[in-house]
Amino acid sequence: ETGVTQTPRHLVMGMTNKKSLKCEQHLGHNAMYWYKQSAKKPLELMFVYNFKEQTENNSVPSRFSPECPNSSHLFLHLHTLQPEDSALYLCASSQDSGGADTQYFGPGTRLTVL
Amino acid sequence: GQNIDQPTEMTATEGAIVQINCTYQTSGFNGLFWYQQHAGEAPTFLSYNVLDGLEEKGRFSSVLSRSKGYSYLLLKELQMKDSASYLCAVMDSNYQLIWGAGTKLIIKP
Repeated sequence: ETGVTQTPRHLVMGMTNKKSLKCEQHLGHNAMYWYKQSAKKPLELMFVYNFKEQTENNSVPSRFSPECPNSSHLFLHLHTLQPEDSALYLCASSQDSGGADTQYFGPGTRLTVL
Repeated sequence: GQNIDQPTEMTATEGAIVQINCTYQTSGFNGLFWYQQHAGEAPTFLSYNVLDGLEEKGRFSSVLSRSKGYSYLLLKELQMKDSASYLCAVMDSNYQLIWGAGTKLIIKP
């Protein structure tokens, strides 16, 4: 148990659907992250939030829309996705995003876009 | 560009020792992390090195050589539960993690 939870664990959606991924951390951290993990590829950083403010958007397409209402919760809103967006989406948190702090990960949401 | 290289897959025998290498080229260096990821699960933190030398945690050790841009993870007394992917990541000058693609370790009885 790493203290970071994600729901749902699995999601299948069509290209015209709208869905949201949820992440919650119980570690008292101030920074939260979204990553995309595709098979046999390095983790790709998507977004970083520090104290609820977005500090990084790694050229992510606008069909992915993050939301961070407070330091404990992070959402990823999905709409009009493409099949190549199928991947494992991982959420992580750390004490702060501006230091060499260890990131702790949730179990991920396995997304399949049909 | 920034690059992290590690072998795609390795096989080892239960009870043996295995060394997983990681070489890196990054814009700045604020430490190197190793994570373990079992299939379908969260990556879990194993070790952090920022200075040259050895960090030990039980059966797992990590070694860093900054001058060579190189680290390795040493797993001793291998157990079947050690079958997993091992991810190497370097924190760059902007405190962003640059990740390798991971090494899938297969343990055979």
